[in-house]
Amino acid sequence: ETGVTQSPTHLIKTRGQQVTLRCSSQSGHNTVSWYQQALGQGPQFIFQYYREEENGRGNFPPRFSGLQFPNYSSELNVNALELDDSALYLCASSSGSYNEQFFGPGTRLTVL
Amino acid sequence: AQSVAQPEDQVNVAEGNPLTVKCTYSVSGNPYLFWYVQYPNRGLQFLLKYITGDNLVKGSYGFEAEFNKSQTSFHLKKPSALVSDSALYFCAVRDDGNYGQNFVFGPGTRLSVLP
Repeated sequence: ETGVTQSPTHLIKTRGQQVTLRCSSQSGHNTVSWYQQALGQGPQFIFQYYREEENGRGNFPPRFSGLQFPNYSSELNVNALELDDSALYLCASSSGSYNEQFFGPGTRLTVL
Repeated sequence: AQSVAQPEDQVNVAEGNPLTVKCTYSVSGNPYLFWYVQYPNRGLQFLLKYITGDNLVKGSYGFEAEFNKSQTSFHLKKPSALVSDSALYFCAVRDDGNYGQNFVFGPGTRLSVLP
């Protein structure tokens, strides 16, 4: 059984640029959620995808968007990067919206 | 709206002593409750969950948690702490009546187990 993987591990961008983060879900999981974890804080829910459809969204602006593919892998896209977007971005997969989520190691994004 | 509070930023305990990490929650429906642990530079690892049934839930690495509906609490416990338990612990809640809203995480509690 393969766990959740994320790429890249680290990323440095400048303000105004665009970024794409990738996530491969755990085998057998059809639901992927994305979280933003700022330093010293708990993860904040960005959005969730279930069978390629957005299934819920947190309090993040539209410049945060995502995709889920037929193999249930997922992308998080952030446009017009701001300094406050610097954080650890976590992807989590599960076998349903209410089941425990299994997290990837995260992508550390730094915006300069 | 659902919310989670972890009233202690930091908990210090001596190795071999029992530990408790506190969590209280607020939901409009019935709660789905979870505990996760995060080691430095790692993602979150699932420890245990409460969905329904017995109020005492047993999880990984000897951890357990007690669901108390009247106090809206879900405290994490372990009878005998290990130095290797030192990490950041997060409580999370999902409201079964709030379709489309995902897990809400608490701010985290840093556990330090002293040898």
